Amino acid sequence: GNSVTQMEGPVTLSEEAFLTINCTYTATGYPSLFWYVQYPGEGLQLLLKATKADDKGSNKGFEATYRKETTSFHLEKGSVQVSDSAVYFCALGSGNTPLVFGKGTRLSVIA
Amino acid sequence: DTEVTQTPKHLVMGMTNKKSLKCEQHMGHRAMYWYKQKAKKPPELMFVYSYEKLSINESVPSRFSPECPNSSLLNLHLHALQPEDSALYLCASSPRDSSNQPQHFGDGTRLSIL
Repeated sequence: GNSVTQMEGPVTLSEEAFLTINCTYTATGYPSLFWYVQYPGEGLQLLLKATKADDKGSNKGFEATYRKETTSFHLEKGSVQVSDSAVYFCALGSGNTPLVFGKGTRLSVIA
Repeated sequence: DTEVTQTPKHLVMGMTNKKSLKCEQHMGHRAMYWYKQKAKKPPELMFVYSYEKLSINESVPSRFSPECPNSSLLNLHLHALQPEDSALYLCASSPRDSSNQPQHFGDGTRLSIL
């Protein structure tokens, strides 16, 4: 079946540091890949998405590239801010099967 | 601002109470979802409605009863819940019932069972 493996947190960074959160997947067919972010006390928000190999999703300075050869969709940001502190979920969607989430990575950015 | 509205934001109820959670979206989406999220865990799918018909029930206990009165509204009726049902309940919607499409989430109802 489909699955997503996401690096375990928590991750603590200083402001303006470079962020990478690793995500790899296992799937049959041609899944879509997503990063969702959950700020404290809120629901999940779609951060970015990619629907086919080599697509790059980007939003708010975050980027992730759909790499079919390495089955990966790593999240990156060049310079994090305190306001980026949240839990980040990698997710995989494929047709009529339910969305599959990774376990989530908690990011704390300190000033 | 979220485009999926959930009420109430917080709910405390006893194990013998009956209550309902409500979810509303006006994006014209035809698929709506209920998820349960425990602390420090990803959301777990409970139910999926597609074109106002129940299409997926992930073996959820019958003390949870979903209802989709129309294409914009989704309810979750609660009865005789257990303490382990305390969690954040999230509603989501997407244009169609395909997980290739991004889902839009509400801010959830935080439920506590006494």
